[in-house]
Amino acid sequence: EAGVAQSPRYKIIEKRQSVAFWCNPISGHATLYWYQQILGQGPKLLIQFQNNGVVDDSQLPKDRFSAERLKGVDSTLKIQPAKLEDSAVYLCASSPRDPSTVGRSPYEQYFGPGTRLTVT
Amino acid sequence: GESVGLHLPTLSVQEGDNSIINCAYSNSASDYFIWYKQESGKGPQFIIDIRSNMDKRQGQRVTVLLNKTVKHLSLQIAATQPGDSAVYFCADFNQAGTALIFGKGTTLSVSS
Repeated sequence: EAGVAQSPRYKIIEKRQSVAFWCNPISGHATLYWYQQILGQGPKLLIQFQNNGVVDDSQLPKDRFSAERLKGVDSTLKIQPAKLEDSAVYLCASSPRDPSTVGRSPYEQYFGPGTRLTVT
Repeated sequence: GESVGLHLPTLSVQEGDNSIINCAYSNSASDYFIWYKQESGKGPQFIIDIRSNMDKRQGQRVTVLLNKTVKHLSLQIAATQPGDSAVYFCADFNQAGTALIFGKGTTLSVSS
């Protein structure tokens, strides 16, 4: 089965510029997550979608970050304008959240390779 | 509050040794814990999970132990291999049960 796809893999921008990241989850996964991982730290959830609805965006800095998941499949995360402290790896993950998944945890999240953002 | 952390940021072992990575959590209501492995340049990868009604769970070369009394869990890797070199995170769910909270990670280095 194909994994979670993300693009671009790397991005360098100047502060105050805008940037967008794209994620394609595993086919059939209803739940999609965006995480921010600052160097040396664990991933921190930014936003969670269930199909095309937002479940949790309490830690998303809404003055500069936005995300959407049109049609409940692909998702984009945007930062506008970027700040130096936004330099991080942005990870997308998806989960089936299906209790009937045999032999696997229904809460298992499958992560993409991430996009490394550098803001100068 | 909700926080999951690890005791040591780095762990160095020889190939063939057993590795033990520790994690402390603060949310006594947590009922589900996961260990993830993250190799350089990749996203985290699920290793093993454990529910709070269990004390121990074994996988292939890995064992997770849960001590609810002291709110501690550990990941044991048997016969550690160079391919096990990575950052290991423990995680549990927030109180709403909607999001994983990750600890800061332990970097495991395996020398041959």
